[in-house]
Amino acid sequence: DVKVTQSSRYLVKRTGEKVFLECVQDMDHENMFWYRQDPGLGLRLIYFSYDVKMKEKGDIPEGYSVSREKKERFSLILESASTNQTSMYLCASSFPPKNIQYFGAGTRLSVL
Amino acid sequence: QQQVKQSPQSLIVQKGGISIINCAYENTAFDYFPWYQQFPGKGPALLIAIRPDVSEKKEGRFTISFNKSAKQFSLHIMDSQPGDSATYFCAASMSADSWGKLQFGAGTQVVVTP
Repeated sequence: DVKVTQSSRYLVKRTGEKVFLECVQDMDHENMFWYRQDPGLGLRLIYFSYDVKMKEKGDIPEGYSVSREKKERFSLILESASTNQTSMYLCASSFPPKNIQYFGAGTRLSVL
Repeated sequence: QQQVKQSPQSLIVQKGGISIINCAYENTAFDYFPWYQQFPGKGPALLIAIRPDVSEKKEGRFTISFNKSAKQFSLHIMDSQPGDSATYFCAASMSADSWGKLQFGAGTQVVVTP
């Protein structure tokens, strides 16, 4: 079974803090994704990575950055957290050619 | 702007009834249409998917109907069960996108009452 693990289920941070969300997958998948999930908006792609040190912007990259130093680990970074970044964050991984995305359980981030 | 429009936002159905969720898209380059199911506290998981070369795909009680000319597709849950209570997301992607990026709909929360 594919396992995608997100390090925290819940996080509470203060405005202006630097926040790291970590994601690890155990299936040697090439592609990894970060989404945010908001009611009424579905899942929106923030960033994705197709190889170590390779990254591409998704639909809503503003205010976020990512890091992929090892194939199994993909980090989402909020350089200076703001209240409008309060959301559920989901990590996923996939491999070509089927590209089925496997999701972690999510991290619910509250920025106060 | 959402590239895949999903409706309804929520629906309540009695056990044994049929749940129907509709999605529409504009980009004719989309050629892969998966549905993901998400239970509370869990991440979404692939439920069923279809490509435009067929008009219908059935897996157990779940059926996708696809109308290429109308650019619409729908999920039907037959004989709905309380265990089907979840949020369902439709999505679309292009095979030309080698990374398989998905555009998701807004989601539909389905509640099946006993």
